Amino acid sequence: GAVVSQHPSRVICKSGTSVKIECRSLDFQATTMFWYRQFPKQSLMLMATSNEGSKATYEQGVEKDKFLINHASLTLSTLTVTSAHPEDSSFYICSARSLGSGRAYNEQFFGPGTRLTVL
Amino acid sequence: AQSVTQLGSHVSVSEGALVLLRCNYSSSVPPYLFWYVQYPNQGLQLLLKYTSAATLVKGINGFEAEFKKSETSFHLTKPSAHMSDAAEYFCAVSDKAAGNKLTFGGGTRVLVKP
Repeated sequence: GAVVSQHPSRVICKSGTSVKIECRSLDFQATTMFWYRQFPKQSLMLMATSNEGSKATYEQGVEKDKFLINHASLTLSTLTVTSAHPEDSSFYICSARSLGSGRAYNEQFFGPGTRLTVL
Repeated sequence: AQSVTQLGSHVSVSEGALVLLRCNYSSSVPPYLFWYVQYPNQGLQLLLKYTSAATLVKGINGFEAEFKKSETSFHLTKPSAHMSDAAEYFCAVSDKAAGNKLTFGGGTRVLVKP
């Protein structure tokens, strides 16, 4: 259980185009999904937190107009990188957290990541 | 604010030797602590977590970690390294003051020599 998928796994696009990445929780309902980016040989940096049915909360320094996040259902969140440029090339990872279950902490489950290369 | 420091960006061990990865955290409230493993071009897999129960936590693949409040540490160990343990390991902290968001350490890459 607790499987999170991402699509696509890899994408190459031209500078100036937009790219959409999907994150799905396959066997549970996720009230909250998180988007991270990871540069080569670096750690994960949280970009934004999205709650189903409401606007995403972006971390400081992350451009919300460039990284559009939509969390339209309890199993799907999308990240759209608009007008992508080579510096946006990175590994993007999502995670999903389930509805509260009475536990003190609800674990995040991570997707396999999407490698974005902008030429 | 919460933060995590992993000492050593690279660790090299011989197959069969002890694996020790160090993690120190900073948190204003009692934290939840995690160790994740990442294989190349893959997402993160949870090895183990501390959520205020037993201070010695056993995880998958023979790993364990001990929460030491006095030292603000959560070091990860495995008695005998296997070639398949070669990967990147991340320590992470989460607490209610940060909305249960995860903050990751810089990561430690483990190389296992035959």
